[in-house]
Amino acid sequence: QVQLQESGPGLVKPSETLSLLCSISGGSISSYYWSWIRQPPGKGLEWIGQIYYSGSINYNPFLKSRVTISVDTSKNQFSLKLKSVTAADTAVYYCARGDYDILTGYYYDHWGQGTLVTVSS
Amino acid sequence: SELTQDPSVSVALGQTVRITCQGDSLGIYYASWYQQKPGQAPALVIYGKNKRPSGIPDRFSGSSSGNTPSLTITGAQAEDEADYYCNSRASSGNLYVFGTGTKVTVL
Repeated sequence: QVQLQESGPGLVKPSETLSLLCSISGGSISSYYWSWIRQPPGKGLEWIGQIYYSGSINYNPFLKSRVTISVDTSKNQFSLKLKSVTAADTAVYYCARGDYDILTGYYYDHWGQGTLVTVSS
Repeated sequence: SELTQDPSVSVALGQTVRITCQGDSLGIYYASWYQQKPGQAPALVIYGKNKRPSGIPDRFSGSSSGNTPSLTITGAQAEDEADYYCNSRASSGNLYVFGTGTKVTVL
């Protein structure tokens, strides 16, 4: 059973960089898309971006200037860095596995439990 | 690019409820649907034309009328009370967007 686990600081100061890691167990990082999705308290889901295991990356254009997603296939992990954070970046951050088939389109079939990151001094 | 859902809907126990998702890209790309209960991560319930992951009850189904995909719960149960989100590719660019979410209340 594939499991994803987010890890990283729960508190980040304004203007600093938020860094999170997603560790994958029970399956390989190969042949899938790996995404970061966030949810501000009491609000809806926001797609941050995704990386294919081979390195192809796509970002939400509203966050693109501040976001970096990378993958480490040797460690079965991928990461998120969001720089110059403000209080508006306070959210639960989820990592998720994306899969695609021409007959079914794109979907997220496995999610991490999520980690709350608070931006505050 | 945005996907719009009704903010909330209520359904009597055992009855049927349909949730829709509207957006420019939905005439081109399939939507997927996610259930999120309080304090939990979202979980995939429907993807593609009408496919359910293993473990999702068959009372959940997907359909589409024109460019508007729907998630239907037939015979809603108390445990189906949750927020539901659609997701699809944006009409331009290789990026994905979530719907605004629908809170389903089972009465």
